[in-house]
Amino acid sequence: DQQVKQNSPSLSVQEGRISILNCDYTNSMFDYFLWYKKYPAEGPTFLISISSIKDKNEDGRFTVFLNKSAKHLSLHIVPSQPGDSAVYFCSGTYKYIFGTGTRLKVLA
Amino acid sequence: DGGITQSPKYLFRKEGQNVTLSCEQNLNHDAMYWYRQDPGQGLRLIYYSQIVNDFQKGDIAEGYSVSREKKESFPLTVTSAQKNPTAFYLCASSIRDRGQTGANVLTFGAGSRLTVL
Repeated sequence: DQQVKQNSPSLSVQEGRISILNCDYTNSMFDYFLWYKKYPAEGPTFLISISSIKDKNEDGRFTVFLNKSAKHLSLHIVPSQPGDSAVYFCSGTYKYIFGTGTRLKVLA
Repeated sequence: DGGITQSPKYLFRKEGQNVTLSCEQNLNHDAMYWYRQDPGQGLRLIYYSQIVNDFQKGDIAEGYSVSREKKESFPLTVTSAQKNPTAFYLCASSIRDRGQTGANVLTFGAGSRLTVL
């Protein structure tokens, strides 16, 4: 029973354009959602979070949107940069669950 | 610098052997976690500990054991009962557990890659 799902395993975007990474969840018990970024052979690092009572949180080039009725959240990166190329995981704070990740490649 | 140190970074094991992965943190975090990463399966929780001398099973605890004798340390033993132990193992810690307010942000170590020969 995968409670947090990232249905797109990979995404390629041109430098300077917007990257949109998606995440769906099934459990309404999550009180916070977090996005982490992971480079190969390293541990994930925290990127941005959103409370379940909010619908948007912004931090520089990164914005997370939460649609509670659709049980869907998305991470927007704009403008995308080559250094953003990594695997991105969404996570819910109930039972410390992570999605399967989306590999983002930003093309120069 | 505060952080989480995992060792060894690479480990090879023969079938039937137990191995222990080390995880040490100097962040003064109360909670610690072990995850396993396999290709296409994201991060799966093995065990977590919210306080010294207490720990709980995660989603895939079978074949693993842990101890939490000190706040700073949370070693993971991969036993011979683990059927498919080859994976990338990640240790994490957090200042808050899920019973408190605020986002429970995890800080991760660099990982340990275990290969069974």
